Amino acid sequence: KNQVEQSPQSLIILEGKNCTLQCNYTVSPFSNLRWYKQDTGRGPVSLTIMTFSENTKSNGRYTATLDADTKQSSLHITASQLSDSASYICVVTPFSGGYNKLIFGAGTRLAVHP
Amino acid sequence: GAGVSQTPSNKVTEKGKYVELRCDPISGHTALYWYRQSLGQGPEFLIYFQGTGAADDSGLPNDRFFAVRPEGSVSTLKIQRTERGDSAVYLCASSLTGTGNQPQHFGDGTRLSIL
Repeated sequence: KNQVEQSPQSLIILEGKNCTLQCNYTVSPFSNLRWYKQDTGRGPVSLTIMTFSENTKSNGRYTATLDADTKQSSLHITASQLSDSASYICVVTPFSGGYNKLIFGAGTRLAVHP
Repeated sequence: GAGVSQTPSNKVTEKGKYVELRCDPISGHTALYWYRQSLGQGPEFLIYFQGTGAADDSGLPNDRFFAVRPEGSVSTLKIQRTERGDSAVYLCASSLTGTGNQPQHFGDGTRLSIL
């Protein structure tokens, strides 16, 4: 079983609408949870990083939430734009006392249509 | 440059050949990571360098894969006797150090196709 599960696998929304992407993880304990955006043919770009003690983190129209008790995170996108079409990847860093060894989910592929 | 640079962007070669993939990290970043990403999946960890040394190579799938970072900057991922299953996008990332809540900055990857 994957340690980081994301849903839905893919999503289509109309421009201007909001959406929420989900991430469930089993990694425990963990140091931080990250959301990345990956455009087709490009490398992932960091959107947010939350430590285990944080509940929410915003970056423009992107807001990530974290519930460490239920091991769930969500990424909310407000007023979507065509340029939001990409894969969104949830990433968890296990707490090891060492370096940041990231564990990636498979991503949610978002398509924003005009 | 300002970001992580990977070359070549695409590499097509025949089964059994040797390939080298290059990564130029952001200047001053001591931590460097290699990942492999298959279609529709998230990146999978291959190896982590702190400075010149490979601090964790537990993600390398077998002994055909090897990576170096001789001067603590540029890194090369080397694959011997390539197999069709090696086809994937190979991503490199760097961060200022390997710890703390720092983002890993990714290059755009090398898309490797083994015929």
